[in-house]
Amino acid sequence: EVQLVESGGGLVQPGGSLRLSCAASGFAFSRYWMHWVRQAPGKGLVWVSRINSDGSTTNYADSVKGRFTISRDNAKNTLYLQMNSLRAEDTAVYYCATTEGAFDLWGQGTMVTVSS
Amino acid sequence: QSVLTQPPSASGTPGQRVTISCSGSSSNIGSNYVYWYQQLPGTAPKLLMYNNNQRPSGVPDRFSGSKSGTSASLAISGLRSEDEADYYCAVWDDSLSGVVFGGGTKLTVL
Repeated sequence: EVQLVESGGGLVQPGGSLRLSCAASGFAFSRYWMHWVRQAPGKGLVWVSRINSDGSTTNYADSVKGRFTISRDNAKNTLYLQMNSLRAEDTAVYYCATTEGAFDLWGQGTMVTVSS
Repeated sequence: QSVLTQPPSASGTPGQRVTISCSGSSSNIGSNYVYWYQQLPGTAPKLLMYNNNQRPSGVPDRFSGSKSGTSASLAISGLRSEDEADYYCAVWDDSLSGVVFGGGTKLTVL
């Protein structure tokens, strides 16, 4: 089955760290750019970061630059998001996704709550 | 405050035609392809339109996209109750070196 499955979300205190994972299956993961997109409760979609197919190029939204790191392991078909120095405003559902032309695939999302 | 501006809401009755606009600038819509996503309540977004006006297979031809200058729009004709959802435009921004989403438009089918 063609799918993306996120994991690693949870409750973390402000200033803490969390690592999200996104397991890909059913498609040629190593050939696609991958993205993280988040959605705060009741709010719109916000792009977080992207990484190219071999991991050599990354981009970040200004709001997470210097705090979050995107990476991938093509041998394990897995995308990661290392989140450090977390803030209350990082609270959101985090989706991993790929959209290249007509090929579009999103995970179900994993909830990250930053609160004391 | 989103870089791309969408109306927060839109509505129509079954069978009507509705248009959702997305306004940007020369660094995003003016120079890159626009994508449109549909998000039904409690679900992940789904691609409706890519490269401004191309529909992925499975998307009904009731949906159409267009772009002119620094604005884009999504049109839905023959409105149906199952079209009730949030709609987002998205595009790469050359100045920000990142993807930007519109704030989203909540479509209500009356």
